[in-house]
Amino acid sequence: AQSVTQLGSHVSVSEGALVLLRCNYSSSVPPYLFWYVQYPNQGLQLLLKYTSAATLVKGINGFEAEFKKSETSFHLTKPSAHMSDAAEYFCALRIQGAQKLVFGQGTRLTINP
Amino acid sequence: EPEVTQTPSHQVTQMGQEVILRCVPISNHLYFYWYRQILGQKVEFLVSFYNNEISEKSEIFDDQFSVERPDGSNFTLKIRSTKLEDSAMYFCASSDGQGGYGYTFGSGTRLTVV
Repeated sequence: AQSVTQLGSHVSVSEGALVLLRCNYSSSVPPYLFWYVQYPNQGLQLLLKYTSAATLVKGINGFEAEFKKSETSFHLTKPSAHMSDAAEYFCALRIQGAQKLVFGQGTRLTINP
Repeated sequence: EPEVTQTPSHQVTQMGQEVILRCVPISNHLYFYWYRQILGQKVEFLVSFYNNEISEKSEIFDDQFSVERPDGSNFTLKIRSTKLEDSAMYFCASSDGQGGYGYTFGSGTRLTVV
């Protein structure tokens, strides 16, 4: 069975600092991987996705993620945090041929002034 | 940018009552989904719907749940007899079914069962 683990339910960084949100996955077949962001009282917005092309994926709002098969990881980074990045971030996977997304537990990102 | 629209945004219902959550997916999308998120927990898959039938469902999606696409635009989730543990945020999503696609999610309906 597939699973997604996000290390750290809460991450706090200073404005302008590096953002690193960790995601590890378990899948017996090559997965598609996604990062979603959820702002308060809003739905899930796709940040970026890995679909077996380039391993370094760039998304919206300056975020990027790198697929590392050897580490079964898909960590999300942003070089310089902005106050507007404060939100909940979800890593998810889908295996080819299946419909459902499997989500991690989510990481709440707080930005300190 | 096209959106998935969900109504209502918040619904309060008495235990044992039936509720219908409504969604308008993106018009040219072919796959439709319901997910739920119990407060403080993971987002969980409930069901996927394609070509007017359920294509996949989770163990959560028991006989109390049903989905329907009554016309060309709406996609509904019905809970026949709500329980306290059905209280959650319910998300509708749609996709065009292309390989490697990400879904487009709606803003969710917060269901509170009292």
